[in-house]
Amino acid sequence: KAGVTQTPRYLIKTRGQQVTLSCSPISGHRSVSWYQQTPGQGLQFLFEYFSETQRNKGNFPGRFSGRQFSNSRSEMNVSTLELGDSALYLCASKRAVGGDDEQYFGPGTRLTVT
Amino acid sequence: AQKVTQAQTEISVVEKEDVTLDCVYETRDTTYYLFWYKQPPSGELVFLIRRNSFDEQNEISGRYSWNFQKSTSSFNFTITASQVVDSAVYFCALSPFDRGSTLGRLYFGRGTQLTVWP
Repeated sequence: KAGVTQTPRYLIKTRGQQVTLSCSPISGHRSVSWYQQTPGQGLQFLFEYFSETQRNKGNFPGRFSGRQFSNSRSEMNVSTLELGDSALYLCASKRAVGGDDEQYFGPGTRLTVT
Repeated sequence: AQKVTQAQTEISVVEKEDVTLDCVYETRDTTYYLFWYKQPPSGELVFLIRRNSFDEQNEISGRYSWNFQKSTSSFNFTITASQVVDSAVYFCALSPFDRGSTLGRLYFGRGTQLTVWP
């Protein structure tokens, strides 16, 4: 069974640009969550999607957005990039919403903003 | 509010030593889930265990064991006879559970970097 896949794995962008990251969940998983990992703030929750609807959102500015498609694949977008957006972005999938289920993480996309 | 504290930032041991990683959590929810994840240098978070708040039974899986004590709000993780391949960052996480909502976010601790020397 294939795991969570994320593309691209590495990305370098310039301040002010925008970026789109992609996540394909494990087959049969309908919930996708995104997390940002930085040395300063650790692992922080961005948002969770289920059935193409955002179900939960973390404390991030509106520049961070996401969406989920009918096949459960998800994308997140960051507009007007700032240096502080440099981070490892991790996507996680699980079968359904709620806390009583394991989340399986992808390898992450490492974004560097210069 | 949910909070997870991993007071140990870094731990170094020599191979075959036992090591315990501490995790203390705070939550007002009566039902919640606790997790441990391992993050090797490749970056991917690897799921290790999930525990619900009503199950305080300790669990052992090979060289890994977990001690959940609700009275002290702790969920500690012990690796017995550590190996070099155990070197990684280990994260403890908490997830509230509410049947009436769709909350599923994980609240992570800051992680403990474990280095096992040969």
